[in-house]
Amino acid sequence: KAGVTQTPRYLIKTRGQQVTLSCSPISGHRSVSWYQQTPGQGLQFLFEYFSETQRNKGNFPGRFSGRQFSNSRSEMNVSTLELGDSALYLCASSSHPTGGVGDEQFFGPGTRLTVL
Amino acid sequence: AQSVTQPDIHITVSEGASLELRCNYSYGATPYLFWYVQSPGQGLQLLLKYFSGDTLVQGIKGFEAEFKRSQSSFNLRKPSVHWSDAAEYFCAVGPNFGNEKLTFGTGTRLTIIP
Repeated sequence: KAGVTQTPRYLIKTRGQQVTLSCSPISGHRSVSWYQQTPGQGLQFLFEYFSETQRNKGNFPGRFSGRQFSNSRSEMNVSTLELGDSALYLCASSSHPTGGVGDEQFFGPGTRLTVL
Repeated sequence: AQSVTQPDIHITVSEGASLELRCNYSYGATPYLFWYVQSPGQGLQLLLKYFSGDTLVQGIKGFEAEFKRSQSSFNLRKPSVHWSDAAEYFCAVGPNFGNEKLTFGTGTRLTIIP
């Protein structure tokens, strides 16, 4: 079974631009979560989608948004990029139907976003 | 609010030596506890998890962790490290109910020397 895939793997943008990252979960997984990883803040939860609905959201500004499609693939969008948005963005999928942490999350390799 | 502390930013261990990575958590009830490993350029891989029951948990790659409620700790151990264990290790805590997400520690980078 293929793992979680994320595209692109690397991205360079300039301040003020917007960016869209894509995540394809493991086949059969309906929950997709997004995390931001930076050296200063570590791993921080962005949001989680289940069956095309945002089920949980972390403490990030509205510039960060996401969506999930009927095939469970998910995208996250960051508008009006800031230098501080430079990070590794990780996507994780899970089969757990209630969204709790009881089920294992499978992580993708991440998208490395650099904002200049 | 839940929180996780990994007091060691960087640890260097000789190949074949034993390893212990520290993790302390703060949570009002019995949490779910996890250890993940991240190799360079890779996502996170789950090593082991604790939900309830036996406080000594066995994981993959020869790792184990012990839950100590009195110390609010969940330290990761391995009796003999291999060069391939060099990576970053993250401890995480989550609630055992609802749909709150994991809170991760800041990670411990493990270097293995010959």
